[in-house]
Amino acid sequence: AQSVTQLDSQVPVFEEAPVELRCNYSSSVSVYLFWYVQYPNQGLQLLLKYLSGSTLVESINGFEAEFNKSQTSFHLRKPSVHISDTAEYFCAAFQGAQKLVFGQGTRLTINP
Amino acid sequence: DTEVTQTPKHLVMGMTNKKSLKCEQHMGHRAMYWYKQKAKKPPELMFVYSYEKLSINESVPSRFSPECPNSSLLNLHLHALQPEDSALYLCASSRTETYEQYFGPGTRLTVT
Repeated sequence: AQSVTQLDSQVPVFEEAPVELRCNYSSSVSVYLFWYVQYPNQGLQLLLKYLSGSTLVESINGFEAEFNKSQTSFHLRKPSVHISDTAEYFCAAFQGAQKLVFGQGTRLTINP
Repeated sequence: DTEVTQTPKHLVMGMTNKKSLKCEQHMGHRAMYWYKQKAKKPPELMFVYSYEKLSINESVPSRFSPECPNSSLLNLHLHALQPEDSALYLCASSRTETYEQYFGPGTRLTVT
């Protein structure tokens, strides 16, 4: 089974609409969880992380993710998206002490 | 400051050439990483350096040779590459292996 699963390869939404990008993880990875964003022709930027503590984590640009242990999920949400949010989003988790494993990515496309 | 820099930004090389990719960080991080990313795919781990020692080699062909001259620098030496090695090569660093990773902008490599 895949360690980190992103359930949607593409998510098209209209500007100012809410969005949820789904991520599930397996028992083979730790519960140190991350979301990265990759804009076209750029590297990955850390969007937010869950290491411990509050299960709801927020980023500075309006995204939030909730760690749900019972559902083994770490879904990313934003209540109102902007054109500039168009990007590829990767969910990731540690597998073992050193290796970061990524989901297959979700391409978020914002339509005007 | 969470900046990782990579040079060059773009590189075109023939199959008989020797070239090097460079990565630098000044955050005092003691773990550094090389990833390879093909189009529309997540990054794939190649090498991990921890405290300037190679700790993980993900069975990467010997035509890729990493080097960590000091705690701030990471090089990837390339020799006799194949066209299928064309990809975006990403460098990342983290405080130690169990902390979040920060990525550079990448080097877009084309092998002709």
